[in-house]
Amino acid sequence: KAGVTQTPRYLIKTRGQQVTLSCSPISGHRSVSWYQQTPGQGLQFLFEYFSETQRNKGNFPGRFSGRQFSNSRSEMNVSTLELGDSALYLCASSPQGWGREQYFGPGTRLTVT
Amino acid sequence: DAKTTQPTSMDCAEGRAANLPCNHSTISGNEYVYWYRQIHSQGPQYIIHGLKNNETNEMASLIITEDRKSSTLILPHATLRDTAVYYCIVRANTNAGKSTFGDGTTLTVKP
Repeated sequence: KAGVTQTPRYLIKTRGQQVTLSCSPISGHRSVSWYQQTPGQGLQFLFEYFSETQRNKGNFPGRFSGRQFSNSRSEMNVSTLELGDSALYLCASSPQGWGREQYFGPGTRLTVT
Repeated sequence: DAKTTQPTSMDCAEGRAANLPCNHSTISGNEYVYWYRQIHSQGPQYIIHGLKNNETNEMASLIITEDRKSSTLILPHATLRDTAVYYCIVRANTNAGKSTFGDGTTLTVKP
């Protein structure tokens, strides 16, 4: 099975712009979660989607949003980018069912200048 | 989700077993223990998880104490490629896709 894929892998944006990141989960996985990783804050949970519905949400401002499509692919959007949004954005997918493990993609490295 | 405590760093000789401890003294009955690792700038990699019984797979073994307040991840024959940050996470099965990562343990395998 192919793993979790994320596009693009690297991105450079200017402060004030918006960005959309994409994640394709492992085939058959319906849960997709997003995380932000920075040197100062570590790995932080953004949100999780399951069957096109947001099921969990972390403590991030409304500038961070996401959605999931019927084929389980997910996108996350960050509007009005700030310098502090520079980070590695990771997507993880999980098989159906409670207590299941997550499989992470390689991440998208976003740099805001 | 319960909070976990791990040592900041550990060293291990190549070929020897690496034993990584994790304390989760406030764990609840419905919370699983998960282990992931992250090699520099890559996405975290799932290793193993368990509820109360010891578990083993092709990568590692997970030993959970009887009171479930601590656990140990064992890499039986560490190689240089096992050098990574190892995260111990405790997560309720009702929290589905939400994991709370701490700072983890940086394991350095030395020749």
